[in-house]
Amino acid sequence: AQKITQTQPGMFVQEKEAVTLDCTYDTSDQSYGLFWYKQPSSGEMIFLIYQGSYDEQNATEGRYSLNFQKARKSANLVISASQLGDSAMYFCAMREGWYSGGRRALTFGSGTRLQVQP
Amino acid sequence: SAVISQKPSRDICQRGTSLTIQCQVDSQVTMMFWYRQQPGQSLTLIATANQGSEATYESGFVIDKFPISRPNLTFSTLTVSNMSPEDSSIYLCSVEGSRDRAVRYTFGSGTRLTVV
Repeated sequence: AQKITQTQPGMFVQEKEAVTLDCTYDTSDQSYGLFWYKQPSSGEMIFLIYQGSYDEQNATEGRYSLNFQKARKSANLVISASQLGDSAMYFCAMREGWYSGGRRALTFGSGTRLQVQP
Repeated sequence: SAVISQKPSRDICQRGTSLTIQCQVDSQVTMMFWYRQQPGQSLTLIATANQGSEATYESGFVIDKFPISRPNLTFSTLTVSNMSPEDSSIYLCSVEGSRDRAVRYTFGSGTRLTVV
């Protein structure tokens, strides 16, 4: 089974509008972390936001917020006021077993290509 | 959070040759991670490199093809050996860190490899 599922291969959004990128995850661990990264065409991986499984509040970082619904195992990224520079690939990722000594590397979803239109 | 210098940024190599990719971190880190991103695909973990011990490889990746060195806590290399066109990918190193009490993983800028 996929650990991280991103069901939107591509998304379009108008400049200055908000957009939600979906991410669902699958884990039996109680402690885990969820991450979103942006990858522009240059190939670099840019950290956007992090949510711990025990965090009670949804994470926010500037124009980025994470809509964390633990019971549904979803961690959607919301980008407010989209800008042309937001056009890129977006990856959701998870690290499991935070306190149980599980694998410390990230597992990535398949990604969503976001295109912001003027 | 850590800053990683990854070299080379890109290369075009002949099949059958090898390429060594270097990652230098500006702080000491316990683990370094090496990923492969095939064209149009997501990131797949190749191996985890600990200082002073052999790297731990993921299923589908073997040491003979992707030897890794980790001589100290700030440096690691990944070699792609006996390359074929199927090895054409972006290779990235990564480390775990924290900033403002939030965990984050930092990545090198990537090595875009084309095998001809």
